[in-house]
Amino acid sequence: AQKITQTQPGMFVQEKEAVTLDCTYDTSDPSYGLFWYKQPSSGEMIFLIYQGSYDQQNATEGRYSLNFQKARKSANLVISASQLGDSAMYFCAMSTLQGAQKLVFGQGTRLTINP
Amino acid sequence: DVKVTQSSRYLVKRTGEKVFLECVQDMDHENMFWYRQDPGLGLRLIYFSYDVKMKEKGDIPEGYSVSREKKERFSLILESASTNQTSMYLCASTLQGAVSFSPMNTEAFFGQGTRLTVV
Repeated sequence: AQKITQTQPGMFVQEKEAVTLDCTYDTSDPSYGLFWYKQPSSGEMIFLIYQGSYDQQNATEGRYSLNFQKARKSANLVISASQLGDSAMYFCAMSTLQGAQKLVFGQGTRLTINP
Repeated sequence: DVKVTQSSRYLVKRTGEKVFLECVQDMDHENMFWYRQDPGLGLRLIYFSYDVKMKEKGDIPEGYSVSREKKERFSLILESASTNQTSMYLCASTLQGAVSFSPMNTEAFFGQGTRLTVV
């Protein structure tokens, strides 16, 4: 069975600092994808970044990067130079072939950026 | 851009009512999903559909049913609403179909969410 674990219910960070949001996953499937989504207070889910299990390099998208450590089964999101607008819920998610292509989500981390 | 539209942002219903939540996507996606979001629990999958008239139970299907009569539309039905079904409901679609699995094609595109309150 596939499982995503986010162990940080809430994080508080000063503006302009870098922040790392933790995500660990569990699957026996060699082919899988890892995703991070942002959910502002307005409720919409915004796709941030994707990492495939066979990708050799860590994914990056602007200020977002994914620290993918396959042996440790971790896929942490790093946000550089945080901004007030980064305050939101962040969800890590995974899909696998054995999991019938469904996205399984973690519990989420609420990130608050302080001025 | 993919657009996934849910029929209502906010709904208030009475216990015992039959409730319909509608979701429409405009990008010819194969798969559609209904999730429920509760604080501390993340998003939990209720039902999903990978083709017209096809459906699969997710992790928490009890008390819910679904309908997919057309490819673009996926409806969630609460047969007899109860107060423990008060929650945020999110619809999503993905491109991934029955062809060879590509994790990238499982990126989910979400609707804006429906906050349902059952009183």
